[in-house]
Amino acid sequence: DADVTQTPRNRITKTGKRIMLECSQTKGHDRMYWYRQDPGLGLRLIYYSFDVKDINKGEISDGYSVSRQAQAKFSLSLESAIPNQTALYFCATSDRQGNQPQHFGDGTRLSIL
Amino acid sequence: KQEVTQIPAALSVPEGENLVLNCSFTDSAIYNLQWFRQDPGKGLTSLLLIQSSQREQTSGRLNASLDKSSGRSTLYIAASQPGDSATYLCAGGMDTGRRALTFGSGTRLQVQP
Repeated sequence: DADVTQTPRNRITKTGKRIMLECSQTKGHDRMYWYRQDPGLGLRLIYYSFDVKDINKGEISDGYSVSRQAQAKFSLSLESAIPNQTALYFCATSDRQGNQPQHFGDGTRLSIL
Repeated sequence: KQEVTQIPAALSVPEGENLVLNCSFTDSAIYNLQWFRQDPGKGLTSLLLIQSSQREQTSGRLNASLDKSSGRSTLYIAASQPGDSATYLCAGGMDTGRRALTFGSGTRLQVQP
């Protein structure tokens, strides 16, 4: 089983819809991150969480919200999806010290029509 | 703000060739530097992690170096194989509390058989 699992893997939806992307991990890591990747670009940080009670905005948080339901679960919501949020979304985890590599899920490909 | 640049954006080489991928970053206050591999439609696989106190890391045919003073990292791939074809991303972990990564836009490598 994958250490970091993202659901769904693919999603097509319409402008204005509310969408939730989910991430769960079995690494036992405290830190979790949401990134988005656009074609030809690197990944950009949306939100990150150090534990259940600590959630922080990243570089491009506008239009997104998150929820850390448990240490192992971190979900990303698009309250009212717009076409320029079409992208590949990745969840990642890391240990508390940040001395080990970040571990990534396989991504969710989101298309907003 | 940290910026990470990767050159070249794309590279095509014949099988067996040794090659170097370049990564540069603007802020030397870097905690670590990671190299990832991304296959089409897949997530990121961590290849090598170099801590700020280290100069290089090796894994099999891969060797990554880090020079904080010049703001550069290189990924050396020896005896390239068609299975090495993928996009290679470098990412700098900033020496701030969040330990999130700042990514370059990647080098797309094609190894011709």
